[in-house]
Amino acid sequence: AQSVAQPEDQVNVAEGNPLTVKCTYSVSGNPYLFWYVQYPNRGLQFLLKYITGDNLVKGSYGFEAEFNKSQTSFHLKKPSALVSDSALYFCAVRDKRGNQFYFGTGTSLTVIP
Amino acid sequence: GAVVSQHPSRVICKSGTSVKIECRSLDFQATTMFWYRQFPKQSLMLMATSNEGSKATYEQGVEKDKFLINHASLTLSTLTVTSAHPEDSSFYICSASRPGFSYEQYFGPGTRLTVT
Repeated sequence: AQSVAQPEDQVNVAEGNPLTVKCTYSVSGNPYLFWYVQYPNRGLQFLLKYITGDNLVKGSYGFEAEFNKSQTSFHLKKPSALVSDSALYFCAVRDKRGNQFYFGTGTSLTVIP
Repeated sequence: GAVVSQHPSRVICKSGTSVKIECRSLDFQATTMFWYRQFPKQSLMLMATSNEGSKATYEQGVEKDKFLINHASLTLSTLTVTSAHPEDSSFYICSASRPGFSYEQYFGPGTRLTVT
């Protein structure tokens, strides 16, 4: 069965410090992996994706993520957090055969000034 | 490109009435549209997948007679919550995929439904 796990419900980080939001997945075959951000009462905004190629993917707003096949992980990272990065972050996976996305439970990121 | 809109953004309705939510792909033709439901501080739950001109495929546990989905054109899908009850209050989000980019989904801004 396809699944995505975000082990941390909440991540707090001081402004200017690096941040990491964790994601692990379970999917048959090679996955398509995505990160989305959601602000209160808003839809999901696309941050970045991994389809193929370089394992380090760079996305919007200075975010990046590294696809690690051996650890089945796709952690989201940013070198220097901003207060405006505070939001809810979702990892999602889609297997290459199907059309359905599987979302993690979300991680609430709070950047402390 | 690849913008998806939803209307209305917020709706309040009385218990027992029906409410329709529209999802439109503004600058592309959507081969498939998806409807999700999101409870506060929870993840997105896929409700159904719809392809233009065919019946929607509902996820297990989603009542198809209560959540009517119509995908009448390549740019419009509607979700009608029939005989709404307070427990139907939620945030409903649609997404769409387009030809040649089927590995991606483009999300609408969501609709906040409150049933009183």
